Amino acid sequence: SYELTQPPSVSVSPGQTARITCSGAALPKRYSYWYQQKAGQAPVVVIYKDTERASGIPERFSGSSSGTIVTLTISAVQAEDEADYYCQSTDISGSYPLVLGGGTRLTVL
Amino acid sequence: QVQLVESGGDVVQPGRSLRLSCTASGFNFSIYGMHWVRQAPGKGLEWVAVISYDGSDKYYADSLKGRFTISRDNSKNTLFLQMHSLRPEDTAIYFCAKDSPIIPFDLWGQGTLVTVSS
Repeated sequence: SYELTQPPSVSVSPGQTARITCSGAALPKRYSYWYQQKAGQAPVVVIYKDTERASGIPERFSGSSSGTIVTLTISAVQAEDEADYYCQSTDISGSYPLVLGGGTRLTVL
Repeated sequence: QVQLVESGGDVVQPGRSLRLSCTASGFNFSIYGMHWVRQAPGKGLEWVAVISYDGSDKYYADSLKGRFTISRDNSKNTLFLQMHSLRPEDTAIYFCAKDSPIIPFDLWGQGTLVTVSS
């Protein structure tokens, strides 16, 4: 079955830039999406279609794509950005099942 | 207010069944596909199932092996997940999520906890 691979954790200090990667064989052909989940809360979409920022998401959040790797970049990280981040996409067929990465815990030091 | 509210989570014994509900408000429920996504304690998100806006198409995660059924009642703005032959590994928070043409999960409920334990 198709998999999306994320690093388990990323740590940065406030004001620094955090980069969270997600790799998958079909990503050159299929859109990716990023969801933020803060402790005890439901997820919220932050990036859709690789690079589009969702409504209400601060400009410091951005998405990029290069080959089989997509990246969520958070510039000038703030304490409130501490959360789990999940990438999501599909296999090359573009159909179901929807696949989610294992998640990356962003820790703001 | 646009929101999704799940209910029906409970503690059940292995092998038993349970039905979850998700009630939508603040948007036209009948024109959107809907998903169930679950999260085991301390683990990541796992997509469970999706149903089309009119209930005619349904897709499931391969791992469920036919034990779960997704359905909806558009007259009551409600999504359902019928779960059979529950196993301890089905223990999770179950979220419903609204689909949209550009974002698969563009609105989430707060989730309902299912615990499968003897």
